[in-house]
Formats: sequence, structure tokens, C-alpha cells
Amino acid sequence: KAGVTQTPRYLIKTRGQQVTLSCSPISGHRSVSWYQQTPGQGLQFLFEYFSETQRNKGNFPGRFSGRQFSNSRSEMNVSTLELGDSALYLCASSLGAGLVNTEAFFGQGTRLTVV
Amino acid sequence: GNSVTQMEGPVTLSEEAFLTINCTYTATGYPSLFWYVQYPGEGLQLLLKATKADDKGSNKGFEATYRKETTSFHLEKGSVQVSDSAVYFCAPGEGGGADGLTFGKGTHLIIQP
Repeated sequence: KAGVTQTPRYLIKTRGQQVTLSCSPISGHRSVSWYQQTPGQGLQFLFEYFSETQRNKGNFPGRFSGRQFSNSRSEMNVSTLELGDSALYLCASSLGAGLVNTEAFFGQGTRLTVV
Repeated sequence: GNSVTQMEGPVTLSEEAFLTINCTYTATGYPSLFWYVQYPGEGLQLLLKATKADDKGSNKGFEATYRKETTSFHLEKGSVQVSDSAVYFCAPGEGGGADGLTFGKGTHLIIQP
């Protein structure tokens, strides 16, 4: 079966712009989580959506937002981009809500560069 | 929330050497514990997991045992291969705080032929 698909793979934006990233989870998975990966901070949790509802949110400013559609596809949006937002953004899908015992399947990520 | 401490590396070993990557964590309750691996240019993949104390997770020759008393989940492999070169992440699963997976900084492993 198809894995987690993230689009686009690479993106270059200018400071102050906004960006939307997309994630299509594995068919049948209802939970989508987003992570930011940087060399300095490692992997940091952004938010999790389950059945179109935000279930959890990490410690990021309000410029970072997301949503999930009825087909479980998810988008995340970053407004007023800053240089420090340059990172690899990873999406993970899982069958159920939360990740206590559930394996997360990751996409290849979207590499965002802010110039 | 949860937190993880693991050696960052890079860790450089020769092929067939013994590998240990230490991981200690703090968590609310007793979450499942995971090791994920990230190969160059790819997303993370689950390597192994353990769901309760004293459980041993294993996959592809890697093993890790859930040690509740020391809050550790060290990753080991008896004989590494060049193809094991990757970044390894330790992660306690969601605990009582419901804050998603908390990853360590990752350990960059380099295996030389």
C-alpha cells in the first residue's frame, strides 16, 4: 500500500511570506502528526490531528497552524515566515489517535528554506 | 512532558563491531518506548518498540530492553554493517501528558568498511 506522501519535497520562500505543506496519510489512517526537524533542535512536535480535530499541539507560535480534511489529508500553514523556520517538516500517520502503542509512519518530509 | 537524552555522535564504528546507543528518558506514567531510524534523504522508520517494563524489542539484529528502574532503553547490535549507517532516534510514546512522541536529538551512526 502507498506510504505517507508529502508535497512538495522542496520549497524556497522569502521572509514574510506564508507557506502551505500537504500530507496524505496511509489509506485508513485517521491520525496525522507534524514535526519540525532542525540540526540544532532535533525533532519537535508541532501538532496532531485526528478525525479533523486538533488533538494535541506542541510549543510553537500561532504562526504555525494546521487542519485535517474529511479524507484524513492534512495541511500545515506557516505565516509570516522567518529565517528560523527553515527546516525539514515531517508528517506521520497512524491508525489510531495518540502514539502510546501505535506505530507512526513517516513521510519523506518537505525541506523548507526561508531566504 | 516527556524528555529524552541520547548520545548525539557522530558515532563511528568499523563493520562487524558491537554497537550500543544509550537512551534515558523522563516520562509521565509508563509509556511505550520506540527506536526510529532515519536513512539519508528519507523520513523516519520504526526500528523496534517495547510496550512494558522488561519487554525486549528487536528487529534487523537490533535489540533494546525497557528498563523501568533506570528509565533507559539502550539500543544494541552485535555486529553492525555499512548499511546500518543512519540517524537513530529514541522516543518514549505518549504518556499521560498526551503530547505526541518526544524524540531525542538523534545519534548519527557511521559504519566504515
